[in-house]
Amino acid sequence: TQLLEQSPQFLSIQEGENLTVYCNSSSVFSSLQWYRQEPGEGPVLLVTVVTGGEVKKLKRLTFQFGDARKDSSLHITAAQPGDTGLYLCAGAGGTSYGKLTFGQGTILTVHP
Amino acid sequence: DTAVSQTPKYLVTQMGNDKSIKCEQNLGHDTMYWYKQDSKKFLKIMFSYNNKELIINETVPNRFSPKSPDKAHLNLHINSLELGDSAVYFCASSQDHGAGNTIYFGEGSWLTVV
Repeated sequence: TQLLEQSPQFLSIQEGENLTVYCNSSSVFSSLQWYRQEPGEGPVLLVTVVTGGEVKKLKRLTFQFGDARKDSSLHITAAQPGDTGLYLCAGAGGTSYGKLTFGQGTILTVHP
Repeated sequence: DTAVSQTPKYLVTQMGNDKSIKCEQNLGHDTMYWYKQDSKKFLKIMFSYNNKELIINETVPNRFSPKSPDKAHLNLHINSLELGDSAVYFCASSQDHGAGNTIYFGEGSWLTVV
């Protein structure tokens, strides 16, 4: 069974601060996705990383896929209250049929 | 237009009852899923269908029975509901069942068993 450990589980910061969320596994994933989920809604895809060492930027969000494709990180610069939500990493394995293994999630709260 | 829509959004029912959650996607996708999110926000796949054919069936009690009348619909029927079934159930779809596809989630169905 592939497992993804996501940390921290909770993060409460002030507006303007930077933060990093980590997603680690002992398994290799063919790709890794980051989702954001707001209260009362379903997860929405932010980014997919495929290549080991890949870095993708989405405005103030920077996503990195580890060289060995076992880990990933999400870095947010100058967080804003609108960034508040649940962030989920999800890995797709080589033998999966679209089956994603999700991390436990990080609940981010950005205070004004 | 809602891409993946599921009904009902909220469901409160007594133990032992049977209930269904319906899901429809208008994206023209071949693959649909049911995911369960527990109280700790952990999201886990339950079932996956590709063109009406079951391709993923995780370790789920057989009280849960998915049905896909066509590739745009995937309904979930739950028999003899138990307290532990309380969770948010998400329907989702993707273009096909290849790894790494974008998965589009519905808004979720909040099931509370009392």
